[in-house]
Amino acid sequence: GDSVTQMEGPVTLSEEAFLTINCTYTATGYPSLFWYVQYPGEGLQLLLKATKADDKGSNKGFEATYRKETTSFHLEKGSVQVSDSAVYFCALFSYSSASKIIFGSGTRLSIRP
Amino acid sequence: DVKVTQSSRYLVKRTGEKVFLECVQDMDHENMFWYRQDPGLGLRLIYFSYDVKMKEKGDIPEGYSVSREKKERFSLILESASTNQTSMYLCASKLADSENTEAFFGQGTRLTVV
Repeated sequence: GDSVTQMEGPVTLSEEAFLTINCTYTATGYPSLFWYVQYPGEGLQLLLKATKADDKGSNKGFEATYRKETTSFHLEKGSVQVSDSAVYFCALFSYSSASKIIFGSGTRLSIRP
Repeated sequence: DVKVTQSSRYLVKRTGEKVFLECVQDMDHENMFWYRQDPGLGLRLIYFSYDVKMKEKGDIPEGYSVSREKKERFSLILESASTNQTSMYLCASKLADSENTEAFFGQGTRLTVV
């Protein structure tokens, strides 16, 4: 079945460092891809999304490009801030996954001042 | 402002109790989901519903049931709570018939079973 694999955490970086969180997927159809963020004590909220190959989603300085050839959707940010400390989830949705949203295991990111 | 509201942020229940977790959305979404979130395991789907009175088992339905009598409300029921059901529970809703739209999440209910 469909699945999402993202890099294990926790990831600890200094402020203004470059961030990459890897995400790869397996899907039989053509899924839409999402990154969600969960701040401490809160539910998940959408960070960005891409709905077809080569689309780039972006928001709050974060970017991710839908790469069909490598089945990847890596999250990047050029200069992280302390306020970016959170748990990040990669996810996919397609009708071939029976309308379920499939999530990765999450990556905890901590940013040092 | 779209909203998914879970009835409780924190809940403490005793082993063997019947527990109801309520979720309400105001977006007229057809699809609704219940997940549990545990450290190292990410989000695991318990049940989802694609319409009123319709439900499908997710990956870990054992020990749980659900109810969807009205479109806006999706309830998760723990028939006889056990300590291994101590977890964070997240409800989500989504527009049906669209792969492009995102799911919206509630703030979560942290359930402790003692």
